[in-house]
Amino acid sequence: DQQVKQNSPSLSVQEGRISILNCDYTNSMFDYFLWYKKYPAEGPTFLISISSIKDKNEDGRFTVFLNKSAKHLSLHIVPSQPGDSAVYFCAASPTGTASKLTFGTGTRLQVML
Amino acid sequence: NAGVTQTPKFRILKIGQSMTLQCTQDMNHNYMYWYRQDPGMGLKLIYYSVGAGITDKGEVPNGYNVSRSTTEDFPLRLELAAPSQTSVYFCASSYAPRGNTEAFFGQGTRLTVV
Repeated sequence: DQQVKQNSPSLSVQEGRISILNCDYTNSMFDYFLWYKKYPAEGPTFLISISSIKDKNEDGRFTVFLNKSAKHLSLHIVPSQPGDSAVYFCAASPTGTASKLTFGTGTRLQVML
Repeated sequence: NAGVTQTPKFRILKIGQSMTLQCTQDMNHNYMYWYRQDPGMGLKLIYYSVGAGITDKGEVPNGYNVSRSTTEDFPLRLELAAPSQTSVYFCASSYAPRGNTEAFFGQGTRLTVV
């Protein structure tokens, strides 16, 4: 049972345009959500997070939106740059646990020149 | 500042062999984790530790063991390697248990069991 789903395995975007990566979850106990970025042969690196008490969090070119009623979150990257090409993982953490993250399967973003 | 260091980076094991994947962090984090990533899948939690001397099972603990004798080190032991354990293993650490402090990951260990 996949509790965190990223239904788009890949996404291609032109440099300078917006990239929108989507994530859905099924577990109502999740209250903290994170996005990680992963380059080949490297470990994931933290990108941005959002608590369930918010519906938006922004950090530079990256914005995460949370729609709790739809159990959906999205990551917006504006403007997209070639260095953003990587695999992006959505992850979620439930209330009151030791940060036991549940990860989605990832979306490979390719930003084209 | 090294962060989270994993050794080895690559390893090929024969079925039934054993090995230990090493993980050390220099950030004085209390929380440490082992994840595995299978091709086309997300990371799945194997074991985690909330401090020296305390470990607990994650989502996929079968076939693995861990220990946490110091804050810095969190080795993962495979006793009888099986082809199903072919995967990329990531160690991570975090300062606080809640997700509002992100986990820092090592570079991974790519393990092949043949």
